[in-house]
Amino acid sequence: GIQVEQSPPDLILQEGANSTLRCNFSDSVNNLQWFHQNPWGQLINLFYIPSGTKQNGRLSATTVATERYSLLYISSSQTTDSGVYFCAVVVSGNTGKLIFGQGTTLQVKP
Amino acid sequence: GAGVSQTPSNKVTEKGKYVELRCDPISGHTALYWYRQSLGQGPEFLIYFQGTGAADDSGLPNDRFFAVRPEGSVSTLKIQRTERGDSAVYLCASSLTHASPYEQYFGPGTRLTVT
Repeated sequence: GIQVEQSPPDLILQEGANSTLRCNFSDSVNNLQWFHQNPWGQLINLFYIPSGTKQNGRLSATTVATERYSLLYISSSQTTDSGVYFCAVVVSGNTGKLIFGQGTTLQVKP
Repeated sequence: GAGVSQTPSNKVTEKGKYVELRCDPISGHTALYWYRQSLGQGPEFLIYFQGTGAADDSGLPNDRFFAVRPEGSVSTLKIQRTERGDSAVYLCASSLTHASPYEQYFGPGTRLTVT
């Protein structure tokens, strides 16, 4: 089956710093989503981005489907950005089930 | 509008008991998904409904797990003869349609603890 690998597994930043999270996947996909799981466990949709680039405030994401990776950029990080970031994909031709990576745990220190 | 809701938020049960977990999707969403998340892991797919029918149940771990969606809206995940290894957070998600784009929206989850 498809492999979804996220890096780095853990990241510690000072408030105000920028960061890049990476998601590599091993097969063609027709859906890619980035989520932020907050300390209460809620998965919050950040981006639906099977290809191209999107921006939402301090966050942006780029997916290069032909090279099978996606990047999530966080600028001017805040303590509220702390939590786990997941990348999840739907394999082309499959039903809509999402396959998740293992996540990147981000801690932003004041 | 309202998001995906799940009840109960927490469930503690004894080994061997039967439990039901409920999911209420976003109004108008025809596709509904169940996932399970163990501590420190990403969510793992269990079952997917398109309307009333289970279109893909390949993620159900064994025949103790069953899910229904009789009217194409609310879904119930049923676990028989619970085991300690069933302890996890059970997440439900819905999407507008089964056809691309599939953007899925998740509920807050039910934390199941089997003692």
